[in-house]
Amino acid sequence: EDQVTQSPEALRLQEGESSSLNCSYTVSGLRGLFWYRQDPGKGPEFLFTLYSAGEEKEKERLKATLTKKESFLHITAPKPEDSATYLCALFTQGGSEKLVFGKGTKLTVNP
Amino acid sequence: DTGVSQDPRHKITKRGQNVTFRCDPISEHNRLYWYRQTLGQGPEFLTYFQNEAQLEKSRLLSDRFSAERPKGSFSTLEIQRTEQGDSAMYLCASSSPTSSGELFFGEGSRLTVL
Repeated sequence: EDQVTQSPEALRLQEGESSSLNCSYTVSGLRGLFWYRQDPGKGPEFLFTLYSAGEEKEKERLKATLTKKESFLHITAPKPEDSATYLCALFTQGGSEKLVFGKGTKLTVNP
Repeated sequence: DTGVSQDPRHKITKRGQNVTFRCDPISEHNRLYWYRQTLGQGPEFLTYFQNEAQLEKSRLLSDRFSAERPKGSFSTLEIQRTEQGDSAMYLCASSSPTSSGELFFGEGSRLTVL
């Protein structure tokens, strides 16, 4: 069965303290891995799409990378406004439009 | 505002009552999705429309749940005979056919069943 596991469940950082979030997955034929950001009480906001191992995408202080078994979301010199829950998701196999989400990593950046 | 809008934002109901949520997607998006999210979990897929056709439906969706998208524009999600386990955030999202997986979510409709 297709699975998405994110770690850690929660992460506390000091402002400026870089770190990485992990998303490990098992799927037969990856059709895309997606990162979303979710603020409390809001819907998820799309960040990145990764399609193949070795691919990287960057946006401001965030960089997403992909291997054959996992994806990392690297946060460089985070600021308090980066505090949110970060979700990764992927398509199940075949032509399904169903995105399977992980439980997310709740990131808190203290000033 | 041209984002995805959902109504109502909050709904409190008694067990056994019916509730209906509405979603207005981004106008040029022909794909529309409903997800459900509970505290500490990621969103869970419920159903998917392409234009007015409901193309996918989760096996987890009981027959108390029904969704429609008449004329391929707005969508409604109805829950009949609500149960306490239905308490969750119901999220609607839309996407364009060229950006599959890049979903634009609304702010959700939070349901509390007493």
